[in-house]
Amino acid sequence: RKEVEQDPGPFNVPEGATVAFNCTYSNSASQSFFWYRQDCRKEPKLLMSVYSSGNEDGRFTAQLNRASQYISLLIRDSKLSDSATYLCVVNGEPSNTGKLIFGQGTTLQVKP
Amino acid sequence: NAGVTQTPKFRVLKTGQSMTLLCAQDMNHEYMYWYRQDPGMGLRLIHYSVGEGTTAKGEVPDGYNVSRLKKQNFLLGLESAAPSQTSVYFCASSYQSGVAYNEQFFGPGTRLTVL
Repeated sequence: RKEVEQDPGPFNVPEGATVAFNCTYSNSASQSFFWYRQDCRKEPKLLMSVYSSGNEDGRFTAQLNRASQYISLLIRDSKLSDSATYLCVVNGEPSNTGKLIFGQGTTLQVKP
Repeated sequence: NAGVTQTPKFRVLKTGQSMTLLCAQDMNHEYMYWYRQDPGMGLRLIHYSVGEGTTAKGEVPDGYNVSRLKKQNFLLGLESAAPSQTSVYFCASSYQSGVAYNEQFFGPGTRLTVL
């Protein structure tokens, strides 16, 4: 079983749609969670951290369910510019290395 | 600030050739990482470093060596390239803050093809 699993998609949605991505992780002791965004042929960049209570950044909402070891990302009112691959990320071990474990990514294509 | 830079951006090698990929960061980060990204596999950690003069193996270290002689530079070497090493290589860095996990900043990547 992969340490971080995501549905690779692609998710094809029209502009203005709401879309949700899910991710599961295998290590119940994981403590830090992130979503990164990667544009085609570019490097990954941090989109947002995921906090236990859930958090929102504009049109983006991240949720964490520790009991189910499940992370989600909700995008409201999709824009063409949201087209990218979204990477679910969980901390690696040990903690004094800063290592992160990346899921393979979910591809989103927003169409006019 | 340039952030994280990688040299070269593209390279084509023949099987058995060697090369070194250079990563440089100007953010005074302690931690640096080398990843490879292949279709359907996501980012996989090759080697990493928690400080100048220290390196450690990641998930897929075979066929690669690294060195961190200066804090700002992290070099990835391929001694004898193989077609299986065709990939996009990303370098990343992050700052150290106790037990917290911090954002990793990535370079633009190196696209390597081994024929």
